[in-house]
Amino acid sequence: QVQLQESGPGLVKPSETLSLTCAVSGYSISSGYYWGWIRQPPGKGLEWIGSIYHSGSTYYNPSLKSRVTISVDTSKNQFSLKLSSVTAADTAVYYCARVLAVAGSTCFDYWGQGTLVTVSS
Amino acid sequence: SYELTQPPSVSVSPGQTARITCSGDALPKQYAYWYQQKPGQAPVLVIYKDSERPSGIPERFSGSSSGTTVTLTISGVQAEDEADYYCQSADSSGTYLRVVFGGGTKLTVL
Repeated sequence: QVQLQESGPGLVKPSETLSLTCAVSGYSISSGYYWGWIRQPPGKGLEWIGSIYHSGSTYYNPSLKSRVTISVDTSKNQFSLKLSSVTAADTAVYYCARVLAVAGSTCFDYWGQGTLVTVSS
Repeated sequence: SYELTQPPSVSVSPGQTARITCSGDALPKQYAYWYQQKPGQAPVLVIYKDSERPSGIPERFSGSSSGTTVTLTISGVQAEDEADYYCQSADSSGTYLRVVFGGGTKLTVL
């Protein structure tokens, strides 16, 4: 059973960099699949942030691309998110998830429980 | 930017059929997916590739596609089906790994 667990600071100051890690268990990242980050501001909908392959190939949401870096550490079986120059608008629950590629399209079949990150001074 | 449009809310009585729509110009060329999200929980995939149901998802959940609109149908709605539902597809760039979500629909079971 694939399990994902997000970790990182729950409070980040404006203009600083948000950093989160997703630890994967029950599956080796090196074996394949893309892995992604999704966020959800309080009371609002889901927003895809970006996805990464075990080789390091990445795809980002164009609206966030200038501030986002997603990386992978196969030795620790985890992947990470960095979002720079954060503002209050980046306050959200951040989810990591496994990307399932099916017939030329993708979805998210396994999700972490999510972690709330608040941007405030 | 590409958008998927859902109604903000749908209400049905227990035992009735709920239909939640999702519209997008690229949907004739891209598969759609549906997620159920209950308060305080992560989303759960309930329909993939327009109409396929993952293992463990009740048969009352079904999906269909027609032109630029996809529909999630819940037959014989139960109280436990009250949740937010999100559609998801690829954006219109042709890069299937770039994902877009609909705004979500709150299903209320009266």
